[in-house]
Amino acid sequence: GAVVSQHPSRVICKSGTSVKIECRSLDFQATTMFWYRQFPKQSLMLMATSNEGSKATYEQGVEKDKFLINHASLTLSTLTVTSAHPEDSSFYICSARVRAWYGYTFGSGTRLTVV
Amino acid sequence: GQQLNQSPQSMFIQEGEDVSMNCTSSSIFNTWLWYKQEPGEGPVLLIALYKAGGLTSNGRLTAQFGITRKDSFLNISASIPSDVGIYFCAGQQDTGTASKLTFGTGTRLQVTL
Repeated sequence: GAVVSQHPSRVICKSGTSVKIECRSLDFQATTMFWYRQFPKQSLMLMATSNEGSKATYEQGVEKDKFLINHASLTLSTLTVTSAHPEDSSFYICSARVRAWYGYTFGSGTRLTVV
Repeated sequence: GQQLNQSPQSMFIQEGEDVSMNCTSSSIFNTWLWYKQEPGEGPVLLIALYKAGGLTSNGRLTAQFGITRKDSFLNISASIPSDVGIYFCAGQQDTGTASKLTFGTGTRLQVTL
């Protein structure tokens, strides 16, 4: 079945530094990937839609200069949290869809802790 | 962003009991999906529903796509300890690969022996 691999699974960084999270589709090509953020005991909130070869589309209230998304190939999307602060600590999850009329596959998530 | 309303918010049940949860929306969706999430993991797809009024099963799980397209239900029969987790519904308004999902607020299930 379709697999989305996300790396790293956990990262701790100092306040003010940047962190990059990778999301790869292992056995299919994904022209579109989605990035979510999930705070403890809350649901998944869509941050942005990553489009291969073009700019990402950000949801209202998500700072595009803070959460940089690059989708340079059909199998890789990256999310960079720039100048991270403690309030950016969260669980970040990516997903992609193999094809139309098919459920979305999610990565295993990245737990970001900013200290 | 928009979220779908799920109920109940949490459930504590005994092994062997049946479970029902539902998801409602003020908007129409053309696809309903049910996911399970375990701690520290991403959601895993359980059931996908594509036809209004339709009933779909996956083992002990059965889900229904409401006829109004504004709700969906998930039933788990004869629960077992590994059913523990958070169950999310998700709605999608069109079928393309770039279409977004809207998630429900989640139902946390605990199963006791």
